[in-house]
Amino acid sequence: DAGITQSPRHKVTETGTPVTLRCHQTENHRYMYWYRQDPGHGLRLIHYSYGVKDTDKGEVSDGYSVSRSKTEDFLLTLESATSSQTSVYFCAIAPVAKGKETQYFGPGTRLLVL
Amino acid sequence: QKEVEQDPGPLSVPEGAIVSLNCTYSNSAFQYFMWYRQYSRKGPELLMYTYSSGNKEDGRFTAQVDKSSKYISLFIRDSQPSDSATYLCAMEAAGNKLTFGGGTRVLVKP
Repeated sequence: DAGITQSPRHKVTETGTPVTLRCHQTENHRYMYWYRQDPGHGLRLIHYSYGVKDTDKGEVSDGYSVSRSKTEDFLLTLESATSSQTSVYFCAIAPVAKGKETQYFGPGTRLLVL
Repeated sequence: QKEVEQDPGPLSVPEGAIVSLNCTYSNSAFQYFMWYRQYSRKGPELLMYTYSSGNKEDGRFTAQVDKSSKYISLFIRDSQPSDSATYLCAMEAAGNKLTFGGGTRVLVKP
């Protein structure tokens, strides 16, 4: 398995509270991604990073922010959680050396916003 | 209309049968094509990837890409109960951003 961990693995929170999810990798890969997975929508890209302090938006970035201060950590913050952000969140990493097409996924974080 | 379409299933087959999965897409700029397998309550794991058109085989798995028809397929031979999972197709045009299908749930019955 690729060395990716996500924390927390499960979280219940209330509408309006900020939430931060963490992705940690031990592979020293350059690219890191945050996705959400919902029934009927598959995996959708929220934000991604192509290096330390280099990030960009995906297709569903509204209400989310990210930060990457170290190669190994990529944080996803829900600034003010809403019920529509109840989802399963996956982090992925991609090795530069192997080419762009191979992304490896973490185990996911299940988030419930009440 | 979604860029990548995939039948959600479930697709139920007896053990030993061939599983046939497919995705259609609309963006002709897609160049890289991938199949991921996802077990319940786990992250997706990469099964196969191909560049441009053609076939690729890896053990019991064969991936096919037909860019002229904007159609990709995954075949699983001699299916096993352990192949029961959701299979996601994914595609990339450029820039390391993948577009996923919604996934097909497969059940292989002993």
